[in-house]
Amino acid sequence: AQTVTQSQPEMSVQEAETVTLSCTYDTSENNYYLFWYKQPPSRQMILVIRQEAYKQQNATENRFSVNFQKAAKSFSLKISDSQLGDTAMYFCALDRRDGGSQGNLIFGKGTKLSVKP
Amino acid sequence: EPEVTQTPSHQVTQMGQEVILRCVPISNHLYFYWYRQILGQKVEFLVSFYNNEISEKSEIFDDQFSVERPDGSNFTLKIRSTKLEDSAMYFCASKVRVDSPLHFGNGTRLTVT
Repeated sequence: AQTVTQSQPEMSVQEAETVTLSCTYDTSENNYYLFWYKQPPSRQMILVIRQEAYKQQNATENRFSVNFQKAAKSFSLKISDSQLGDTAMYFCALDRRDGGSQGNLIFGKGTKLSVKP
Repeated sequence: EPEVTQTPSHQVTQMGQEVILRCVPISNHLYFYWYRQILGQKVEFLVSFYNNEISEKSEIFDDQFSVERPDGSNFTLKIRSTKLEDSAMYFCASKVRVDSPLHFGNGTRLTVT
């Protein structure tokens, strides 16, 4: 079975500081995708960043970057220069690739991030 | 930028009633999904739809649920006889290819009383 685990239910960070959110996963697939989604209080699901498992280079999107450790099955999200608008729930997700799946996402339970002024 | 559009944003219904949640995926997308999120819990996959048929469904998606793409633009989720535990946020999502990232709509909050 494929699983995604986020071990930090809540985190807080001071504005302009850096914070890292943890995610581990389990899959028997060799090729898959990993995602971080942001869910602000409006409850919209917003794609933050995507990592393809066959790519060694860590993905970056402006202030957001990942540390992808394939052997350890770890996929952490680093937010630099945190802004008040980064306050949200962050979900790590694995794109299933097993047995004919059409690439449905498996989500972790989420980490609630609060950015404090 | 094109968006996935969901209507209504909030639906209140009585237990036992039928409800239809509507979605307009991004126009050139080929893969369509419904997810749900019970308040305070993680997002769960319900069903995926491709080439006018269900490609996969979860254990949650029982006989009370159905999906339809009636006219080539809308993608609907029907719950035939709602239960209290169906109260959740329902997200529609779509993507252009199987290896593309999912684009989510803003969700429909369903409240069953």
